[in-house]
Amino acid sequence: DGGITQSPKYLFRKEGQNVTLSCEQNLNHDAMYWYRQDPGQGLRLIYYSQIVNDFQKGDIAEGYSVSREKKESFPLTVTSAQKNPTAFYLCASSIEAGSGANVLTFGAGSRLTVL
Amino acid sequence: GQNIDQPTEMTATEGAIVQINCTYQTSGFNGLFWYQQHAGEAPTFLSYNVLDGLEEKGRFSSFLSRSKGYSYLLLKELQMKDSASYLCAVMDSNYQLIWGAGTKLIIKP
Repeated sequence: DGGITQSPKYLFRKEGQNVTLSCEQNLNHDAMYWYRQDPGQGLRLIYYSQIVNDFQKGDIAEGYSVSREKKESFPLTVTSAQKNPTAFYLCASSIEAGSGANVLTFGAGSRLTVL
Repeated sequence: GQNIDQPTEMTATEGAIVQINCTYQTSGFNGLFWYQQHAGEAPTFLSYNVLDGLEEKGRFSSFLSRSKGYSYLLLKELQMKDSASYLCAVMDSNYQLIWGAGTKLIIKP
């Protein structure tokens, strides 16, 4: 079955540590996205990528980094520069970006807690 | 600024009908989406409206009025499994999605 796999599902980090969240898709989608979800707020876009070896900052990119070396993979690194990293992180993909009926397929999410 | 408003929480009874409203103010409009998200899980796509009117899909329907900046999601014959958060999102003129905070729907027997 095609889909998006995020790992780990739960992650604990000490302050000052970098952590990397994995996102893999086998849907042959060109576009991939990272969102952050906090209670009482809408999803906020961290980074997105429309094609391999290219990515763009979203609304809250500070303290995060990404890479897109393969079409299937879009890992997110939460660096020590992110002041409030405890959140639920969602990876998504779509056939392409920049079109109206751009339906997103989401992974199951990764919950990061900073101790 | 851009803004999406939806009620924080709603309660309904199993077998009944519920309407979840969404109002928006965005820079341009390229469509409105509804997603369902069970607690701790991935959001899943429910509907997409770009033209005014009602789109029906089984027990779920979605309505759009672009002139009023308004949409609603109508859920009929409610089932316990419909207990979830419902997310409204609008695609603006730059094809960026603006998300509402979601409406938590609680279904009671």
